Amino acid sequence: LAKTTQPISMDSYEGQEVNITCSHNNIATNDYITWYQQFPSQGPRFIIQGYKTKVTNEVASLFIPADRKSSTLSLPRVSLSDTAVYYCLVSGGYNKLIFGAGTRLAVHP
Amino acid sequence: NAGVTQTPKFRVLKTGQSMTLLCAQDMNHEYMYWYRQDPGMGLRLIHYSVGEGTTAKGEVPDGYNVSRLKKQNFLLGLESAAPSQTSVYFCASSYNPQLAGGSNNEQFFGPGTRLTVL
Repeated sequence: LAKTTQPISMDSYEGQEVNITCSHNNIATNDYITWYQQFPSQGPRFIIQGYKTKVTNEVASLFIPADRKSSTLSLPRVSLSDTAVYYCLVSGGYNKLIFGAGTRLAVHP
Repeated sequence: NAGVTQTPKFRVLKTGQSMTLLCAQDMNHEYMYWYRQDPGMGLRLIHYSVGEGTTAKGEVPDGYNVSRLKKQNFLLGLESAAPSQTSVYFCASSYNPQLAGGSNNEQFFGPGTRLTVL
């Protein structure tokens, strides 16, 4: 099972772009990279998923280099409401979802 | 649509007591999951189900049992609660990721159940 490594915590300020990088050196060929967001006392919420290159949706972008051994979640112009824990997951199926400790992002005024 | 709901929201048990946590989803999802989350840690998969009448073990199944008698419900049981099972329990559901080539494994989570075992 592919294990992920991400920073324990990050700090930012409102209006800045935040990039959270995740390492997954032993990612398998059929694995996808998925990011979830979790607010206190709530269940995680899906943010974005990708396989290679770049994926963008209305809330974030996901950058994946050619070797796929890492990925970067980019949050443009963060606000206080983006303060949360962000999880990077690598999985190829339903029984392979492994949540690490995540990255605790604190956005300051 | 209510999405994924969990009952109860909070519960306090004494060691050795039993209880059942109920998860319900109204999205007609085939797959359902039970996770536990301990302070400062990520979620760990307890059991999961790929369809009505089927269940399978996840990463930390010991001390728990599950049943999926109806497609929309997934029950998690603790037969003899222990203090080590004090945690927040999350239920989730998803479509069959295999049908989308493995890419569509977005899981929808419930609000969680906070369980304390004394």
